[in-house]
Amino acid sequence: QSVLTQSPSVSAAPGQRVTISCSGSSSNIGNNHVSWYQQFPGTAPKLLIYDSDQRPSGIPDRFSGSKSGTSATLGISGLQTGDEADYYCGTWDSSLRTVVFGGGTKLTVL
Amino acid sequence: QMQLVASGGGVVQPGRSLRLSCTASGFTFNFHGMHWLRQAPGKGLEWVALISYDGRNNYYADSVKGRFTISRDNSENTLFLQMNTLRPEDTAVYYCARDRWGGFPVPAALTYWGQGTRVIVSS
Repeated sequence: QSVLTQSPSVSAAPGQRVTISCSGSSSNIGNNHVSWYQQFPGTAPKLLIYDSDQRPSGIPDRFSGSKSGTSATLGISGLQTGDEADYYCGTWDSSLRTVVFGGGTKLTVL
Repeated sequence: QMQLVASGGGVVQPGRSLRLSCTASGFTFNFHGMHWLRQAPGKGLEWVALISYDGRNNYYADSVKGRFTISRDNSENTLFLQMNTLRPEDTAVYYCARDRWGGFPVPAALTYWGQGTRVIVSS
């Protein structure tokens, strides 16, 4: 059972926009920055968003992040078939004193 | 360019030990906190441990506390994970990852991940 809650899957058509949500509590998302990671099968995860809404260099502006209260959201616009991957949210939990992740959301681009 | 190369994985019997290494290059190793994470077959990401940039502070997941030890050698740009009393549920691909900052008192985003090394705990 993951500390952060994500929907197991989401799907949308090419060119559309999709959002992936991540729900937590005051001890994690509510008081710490959220990161988002993209993982293709058989490969290591890659950082997409840090500090809740910042993109590392090289990440297209089609990817965006936001946070409100104890929830965070990853947005992907202009969907491409190459965006099909698993997406994970992560943050620090101040009470548990551990890094916590969501269970991951599998994105399918129909 | 930045590189993290994890090694030391393999097949080990329950109750035995294994030591993983992660060699870093392309960045100033002793500026960054370092993490170990793992991913069991078909499962999501699980954070395992963190060590601060200077090696003085660390955090562990409850699932490994008391069995695993994270350490680093900044003179060799290498991160380690000593895994003792291994259990079948420790079977996973183990990743090392670089923290955006020093890792203490609060870790930041994991800005770069190594390719992973597979650990199988089975009799």
